[in-house]
Parts: sequence; C-alpha cells; structure tokens
Amino acid sequence: DADVTQTPRNRITKTGKRIMLECSQTKGHDRMYWYRQDPGLGLRLIYYSFDVKDINKGEISDGYSVSRQAQAKFSLSLESAIPNQTALYFCATSALPPGTSTDTQYFGPGTRLTVL
Amino acid sequence: AQKVTQAQTEISVVEKEDVTLDCVYETRDTTYYLFWYKQPPSGELVFLIRRNSFDEQNEISGRYSWNFQKSTSSFNFTITASQVVDSAVYFCALSERSGNTGKLIFGQGTTLQVKP
Repeated sequence: DADVTQTPRNRITKTGKRIMLECSQTKGHDRMYWYRQDPGLGLRLIYYSFDVKDINKGEISDGYSVSRQAQAKFSLSLESAIPNQTALYFCATSALPPGTSTDTQYFGPGTRLTVL
Repeated sequence: AQKVTQAQTEISVVEKEDVTLDCVYETRDTTYYLFWYKQPPSGELVFLIRRNSFDEQNEISGRYSWNFQKSTSSFNFTITASQVVDSAVYFCALSERSGNTGKLIFGQGTTLQVKP
C-alpha cells in the first residue's frame, strides 16, 4: 500500500461548490503539506502543518482552508471553488531527522481538480 | 529572495544519449538544501536526491549523477545512456534553513522526452 494517499484522485466540480481533498499517510511523519501544480509554474505551497495543533499559510493560501484531523490526516478545502483553482494538488509528508534542520518531503499521487 | 530556475522547458533526446538538466538557484542563506524530483507520466512525484549546501561532492547513483557548484549556484542533473523510462518532468527545488518552514521552492520543471 502507498505511504501517502490522496482522495479523490480526480474531481470535476462547478464554480461555487465546496470541495474537500483528503490526504492520509502511514509514514508516521509529523509534518504535512499541500501544494498545487500549474503548467509552467512548478509546485507552490498552499498550507503546511508541523503537528496537529500547528497550521501555517503558504504562499498561495487565499481561497483555501485546511484541517489537521490527526497526525496522519490533512485535508484541504475549497469553500467556493473557482475555475482558476483548476490544478493538480499534491499532499506531502516529512519528518525532521534529529540533528538536522531540513526534512525531505514525500509526495502523494496527486488529485486532479477541474472547476467548471 | 529564493528562486529556482530551470531554463530548459523541454528536452528531447534519443535513447542512449546523455542528457543534462540545468538548475540554477538564488538564496541569501548560507545553509540550504537542494532536491531533485521526477514526475513520470503517471503524475506522482518521486524523490531523487537531496544535497546540503556545505557538501559540494558530486553524487552518482547508477545512470544518474548530480553536479553541485556553489560558485555558480547550480545543481545540474545528468542522465547517462538515457532510456525511454526516463521520460518525465524533472523538478529542482530549494529549501532554506532559516525560518525552518520546510517550504520547498520549486523550479518550473523540465520535460524530458527520450525517444526509442
């Protein structure tokens, strides 16, 4: 089984709808991230969480919210979806090794979201 | 400001050719980390390598090698004797130590097509 799973894998929705993307991990990592990928722009950070009580905005958090329900679960919500939120969304997890200051992030398979 | 530039948008080679993917970065930090990820046509992001700023030794892993040069702020990736399975989008990314946000700054990605 995959260490990082995302549901759904594909979703088509309409403008104004609320939608939730879910991420679960079995790696035992405490850090989780949400990114979006747009053609020609690479990946950009939406939100990140270092533990269940810690939520932080990334560079493009407007229009999004997150919930860290448990160490292993991190959900991304679009309260009122708009067409320019059409993108590929990735969840990532990591753990900070003792004695180091940067982690390596491992990504889920992605969720392709289309907002009509 | 931090920035990662992958100037090559698309590269096409014939199988067995060697190919180098360029990555140039900008950062004010003296301690930072560089990464390469592979995104095959199936869409997931696969971690390839992580390199610390204080370790300029080149690294080789099978047909893959990485050349890190602080003097030119570059972290280039070479595939020797390319194969069709190497066809993918490759991302270079930067993580700074300061702030300890774990945030990855991604380049725009380079699409590599290896033709049989």
